[in-house]
Amino acid sequence: GAVVSQHPSWVICKSGTSVKIECRSLDFQATTMFWYRQFPKQSLMLMATSNEGSKATYEQGVEKDKFLINHASLTLSTLTVTSAHPEDSSFYICSARLSVPNSPLHFGNGTRLTVT
Amino acid sequence: AQTVTQSQPEMSVQEAETVTLSCTYDTSESDYYLFWYKQPPSRQMILVIRQEAYKQQNATENRFSVNFQKAAKSFSLKISDSQLGDAAMYFCAYRSQGGSGTYKYIFGTGTRLKVLA
Repeated sequence: GAVVSQHPSWVICKSGTSVKIECRSLDFQATTMFWYRQFPKQSLMLMATSNEGSKATYEQGVEKDKFLINHASLTLSTLTVTSAHPEDSSFYICSARLSVPNSPLHFGNGTRLTVT
Repeated sequence: AQTVTQSQPEMSVQEAETVTLSCTYDTSESDYYLFWYKQPPSRQMILVIRQEAYKQQNATENRFSVNFQKAAKSFSLKISDSQLGDAAMYFCAYRSQGGSGTYKYIFGTGTRLKVLA
């Protein structure tokens, strides 16, 4: 149980284009999902908290207009990297948790974004 | 603000031996949760073990156990009978108790574990 599916696993796009990454909770409802970014050999950096039916909460330093988050249903959150630049190339990971107090985070398998 | 520190960037252990990964954290909260996650080369984050701060008993999951020292704000992971499949990046994570769903997970910088055959 508690499977999180992330798509695509990898994507290559040209500079200036936009890319959408999907995060789905397959067997549970997730009112909250989290988006992380991970640079090579580094830790996970929380970008934003996605709340179903409301605006996402962005961490300090994360451009909300560049990283658009939509959480339209209890099982789907999307991250759109708008007007991508090479410096946006990174590994993006989504996660979700069950609505019980001691629930850990369940992670998607990540998306490797390369902007050329 | 809470912080999580993993002071060992890399560790090595001989197969079948025991290794301990350290983690310290800083918080002013009394209720919180701590986790260890494993990230193998596939980069899929896998939960290894969790600990509730209000529980004094150390969590154990098969070959994995923790040494939780609340007063010292220390949360180390012990891996017994190390196996080649244990080789991965290990992240310590802190989660506040939260309120109104405002949970936040903070990750340490990770420890790369190598298992030597």
